[in-house]
Amino acid sequence: GAGVSQTPSNKVTEKGKYVELRCDPISGHTALYWYRQSLGQGPEFLIYFQGTGAADDSGLPNDRFFAVRPEGSVSTLKIQRTERGDSAVYLCASSFSQGGLKYFGPGTRLTVT
Amino acid sequence: KQEVTQIPAALSVPEGENLVLNCSFTDSAIYNLQWFRQDPGKGLTSLLLIQSSQREQTSGRLNASLDKSSGRSTLYIAASQPGDSATYLCALQSSNDYKLSFGAGTTVTVRA
Repeated sequence: GAGVSQTPSNKVTEKGKYVELRCDPISGHTALYWYRQSLGQGPEFLIYFQGTGAADDSGLPNDRFFAVRPEGSVSTLKIQRTERGDSAVYLCASSFSQGGLKYFGPGTRLTVT
Repeated sequence: KQEVTQIPAALSVPEGENLVLNCSFTDSAIYNLQWFRQDPGKGLTSLLLIQSSQREQTSGRLNASLDKSSGRSTLYIAASQPGDSATYLCALQSSNDYKLSFGAGTTVTVRA
């Protein structure tokens, strides 16, 4: 079956602009996670959804970052007033349960110029 | 807060040699540990998942061990091949949490 997909694969935007990153989890996976990976580092947690609700958004760096999952499937990570420091690879993962194997998407590489 | 360390940061070996990748962690109250592979510019591919109650998991040429008391996991890759060249990341899920805490990874180069 299909894995986790993310679009776009690459996004270049100017400082101050708004961006949306999309994640399509594996069908039937109720748990969805967003991570951010900077060059040479391991991924860092941003937000976790169980179903439609954000169960934990403690990893979001500030209020410019927001994520939704309105129907419990596709999720969108939204970044307002982008800054150069937001440049990173944004990874999405899903799992059947919160303790289960986590499957990652290919990521969206965001570059803020 | 769980701290995860992977040493060495980089490793280069000739083809055929066995690989030993180390992962250490500070909090032994873990739910599971997962090893991932990441190719340049790509996402993460899950290799092995070890539950807290397990000591090791095997898949083909890969074997991962878990020692909670010493806060260590080791990934063994037997008879390495150039196609094994990638960055390998370990990630832990704590007992009271669902987030994964990642190490920075070990970048492996297998020379033909």
